Amino acid sequence: DAMVIQNPRYQVTQFGKPVTLSCSQTLNHNVMYWYQQKSSQAPKLLFHYYDKDFNNEADTPDNFQSRRPNTSFCFLDIRSPGLGDAAMYLCATSGNRASSTDTQYFGPGTRLTVL
Amino acid sequence: AQSVTQLGSHVSVSEGALVLLRCNYSSSVPPYLFWYVQYPNQGLQLLLKYTSAATLVKGINGFEAEFKKSETSFHLTKPSAHMSDAAEYFCAVITQAGTALIFGKGTTLSVSS
Repeated sequence: DAMVIQNPRYQVTQFGKPVTLSCSQTLNHNVMYWYQQKSSQAPKLLFHYYDKDFNNEADTPDNFQSRRPNTSFCFLDIRSPGLGDAAMYLCATSGNRASSTDTQYFGPGTRLTVL
Repeated sequence: AQSVTQLGSHVSVSEGALVLLRCNYSSSVPPYLFWYVQYPNQGLQLLLKYTSAATLVKGINGFEAEFKKSETSFHLTKPSAHMSDAAEYFCAVITQAGTALIFGKGTTLSVSS
């Protein structure tokens, strides 16, 4: 089945140690998103790619970076994780950013723990 | 700026009872609205979306929502709750640029037998 895959599902890292989260999709969608969801809170968009065009949200910390080497894969890099970065990270895709009605399809998420 | 407000962080119903989850929106332009469901330790799944075609929107798993412009509401309902409906429900509006989903704080639905 076509889907959005996130690896790993659970990631533990140490304070200040760089970590990379992975997302892949078989939907061949143009747009890929990364959301951060802290405990008992709503998901919040960090950034998105429209093809290779990177779009950062204004309040996303510099500590968060992203790479999209091809249509299928997108990575979230946290350069120096702090305790406040512990959260669920959700990857989503949609077919066409130009259409506001386009559904965003979410992966299962990666739960990041920072020790 | 657009936003959604979900009234009630926690709703409890008995199996077979009506489910009503409330969502009010704020938008200076006609909004596109979504309801997503999240099961524990899983991603979000789209239940339904309003894209101005019809005010009563039917979704998956027997859920529906009605867009009421006069009340700026988009409440989610289901006539008869099942145990499997227990989850977190998020109402969301998409930004004018069509990029980010702006989510409400979520409502946890508990279903008791």
